[in-house]
Amino acid sequence: TQLLEQSPQFLSIQEGENLTVYCNSSSVFSSLQWYRQEPGEGPVLLVTVVTGGEVKKLKRLTFQFGDARKDSSLHITAAQTGDTGLYLCAARRAGGNQGGKLIFGQGTELSVKP
Amino acid sequence: NAGVTQTPKFQVLKTGQSMTLQCAQDMNHNSMYWYRQDPGMGLRLIYYSASEGTTDKGEVPNGYNVSRLNKREFSLRLESAAPSQTSVYFCASSLGTMTYEQYFGPGTRLTVT
Repeated sequence: TQLLEQSPQFLSIQEGENLTVYCNSSSVFSSLQWYRQEPGEGPVLLVTVVTGGEVKKLKRLTFQFGDARKDSSLHITAAQTGDTGLYLCAARRAGGNQGGKLIFGQGTELSVKP
Repeated sequence: NAGVTQTPKFQVLKTGQSMTLQCAQDMNHNSMYWYRQDPGMGLRLIYYSASEGTTDKGEVPNGYNVSRLNKREFSLRLESAAPSQTSVYFCASSLGTMTYEQYFGPGTRLTVT
């Protein structure tokens, strides 16, 4: 059972469309991150959210952390072909000594067609 | 400033062979990590090293060993490779275990036949 469930797993859209990717869990997290990974490369951090209800914007990308710190969403406005890639959510469990352990979702493969 | 480097980039092994994946970072980070990435599974933590001289198991440590050689280098060893270890392996580092950003290397694609 995946601790962090991402949906959808695959998304193919046309340039200019909007989309939302979800990251859900039954566990509470102290922080949640979104990474983007291109083929043949390692993931690169996009954003970190730490406060329940927090919203962060990065140009056309909007990230939200759920009020209860159990879920998050990534919304892309007017997608571009350059947004194509694998989007991963990752989280640290709340409480106790979790060290540096990040738990990753299974990823959302986004393809934006011209 | 190269960030996190990994060698080799590709490797093919026969079942039962051994090999070591090398990782080095030049960012003076204290913490280093090894993950494996399989289709539909995201990244899973194999081992991590919170600081030089310490290592701890992650989610999927069986079949692997690690060595934190010094502050810069963290290696992953497969003593007797199995087909189930076919995967893409990523090394990452961060300033500390409680700091947020992990920086990833480019990965090693390993195939075990």
